[in-house]
Amino acid sequence: GIQVEQSPPDLILQEGANSTLRCNFSDSVNNLQWFHQNPWGQLINLFYIPSGTKQNGRLSATTVATERYSLLYISSSQTTDSGVYFCAVGGGTASKLTFGTGTRLQVTL
Amino acid sequence: DAGVTQSPTHLIKTRGQHVTLRCSPISGHKSVSWYQQVLGQGPQFIFQYYEKEERGRGNFPDRFSARQFPNYSSELNVNALLLGDSALYLCASSLAGLDTEAFFGQGTRLTVV
Repeated sequence: GIQVEQSPPDLILQEGANSTLRCNFSDSVNNLQWFHQNPWGQLINLFYIPSGTKQNGRLSATTVATERYSLLYISSSQTTDSGVYFCAVGGGTASKLTFGTGTRLQVTL
Repeated sequence: DAGVTQSPTHLIKTRGQHVTLRCSPISGHKSVSWYQQVLGQGPQFIFQYYEKEERGRGNFPDRFSARQFPNYSSELNVNALLLGDSALYLCASSLAGLDTEAFFGQGTRLTVV
């Protein structure tokens, strides 16, 4: 099956800093999503981005499908950005999303 | 519009017991998937149902089963509970089967003692 690797595993930032989270995947995909998991376990949809670039406020994402990676950019980070960020991919005849191990982000004052 | 709803939110069961978890998808969505997330890991795929038919099954024992009803809601059943079944169980809803954006419920946190 598809392998998904996320980096870095942990990230500590001061409020106002920018960051880039990376997701590498091992095969071609038809679905790629970025999620933010809050402390209560809820997975919040950030982007549905199997290819191309999207922006939503302080967040943006880019997927280069031919090179099998995706990047999530967080600008001017806030304490509410803290949590775990997951990349999940689906592809081919697979009916499932395969998740990476996540990046745990902590934003401090 | 209501999002994906799961019930119950928390549950404590004893080893060997049976549990049923429930999920209602977003209105108009016909696909429901179930995931298990143990502490410190990403969610792992258990099942997908689309139009009331099983479309995918993850690497879980036969103690795990699921079904989808005519109104597209779904149940996940786990028999003979083990301590290792303690996890957050997440339900995802999507419009169709493959390659459409998935939206997750708040999860059911199951503790087996």
